[in-house]
Amino acid sequence: DTAVSQTPKYLVTQMGNDKSIKCEQNLGHDTMYWYKQDSKKFLKIMFSYNNKELIINETVPNRFSPKSPDKAHLNLHINSLELGDSAVYFCASSHSGVGTVATNEKLFFGSGTQLSVL
Amino acid sequence: DQQVKQNSPSLSVQEGRISILNCDYTNSMFDYFLWYKKYPAEGPTFLISISSIKDKNEDGRFTVFLNKSAKHLSLHIVPSQPGDSAVYFCAASEYYSSNTGKLIFGQGTTLQVKP
Repeated sequence: DTAVSQTPKYLVTQMGNDKSIKCEQNLGHDTMYWYKQDSKKFLKIMFSYNNKELIINETVPNRFSPKSPDKAHLNLHINSLELGDSAVYFCASSHSGVGTVATNEKLFFGSGTQLSVL
Repeated sequence: DQQVKQNSPSLSVQEGRISILNCDYTNSMFDYFLWYKKYPAEGPTFLISISSIKDKNEDGRFTVFLNKSAKHLSLHIVPSQPGDSAVYFCAASEYYSSNTGKLIFGQGTTLQVKP
């Protein structure tokens, strides 16, 4: 039983296409995230949702649109893909619990989606 | 401008010896620090954390040290085991002021523990 699962694992596509990456967590967490690992290996936050509400929206092109149909799912749709979008995208979740220190900071990550734009 | 930096891309140690991984940060607003471990083809997994009100936190073979004046933290693994071979990411957040789960990550250090 994978706690945070994202599909597909690999995505190869042409420039200009539109693609989606799906993410689901079965941990009962109320916060979900998308992180991007770029070519320099830094993991950078893109978005976070808490109970389907957008909390964090970093400086990300409008071509990237997250969708959270419920608190267990956070999908990422990317329009008009560009070469520079090639990266590994990680979904993550956490529990913003009250009374436990820094639970929100303890993220549970999916195994990543390697996106290659040709 | 990278606010969290891990200046050693790789580290190789002998099994049974100590592994010391280093991390520097620039943002004095960071008040919570974490280490994540990542195996190939997997996502990062939480390893250990430390609040800015402490200077040391220990969990089994893993100890994290925080030097706030130097804006430096380190992860010590003693004794190192071959299964510890992985990429280690340092991360920081402004937990006490925002608690959003927004982590700023370093670029990782690849640790190889040789049998």
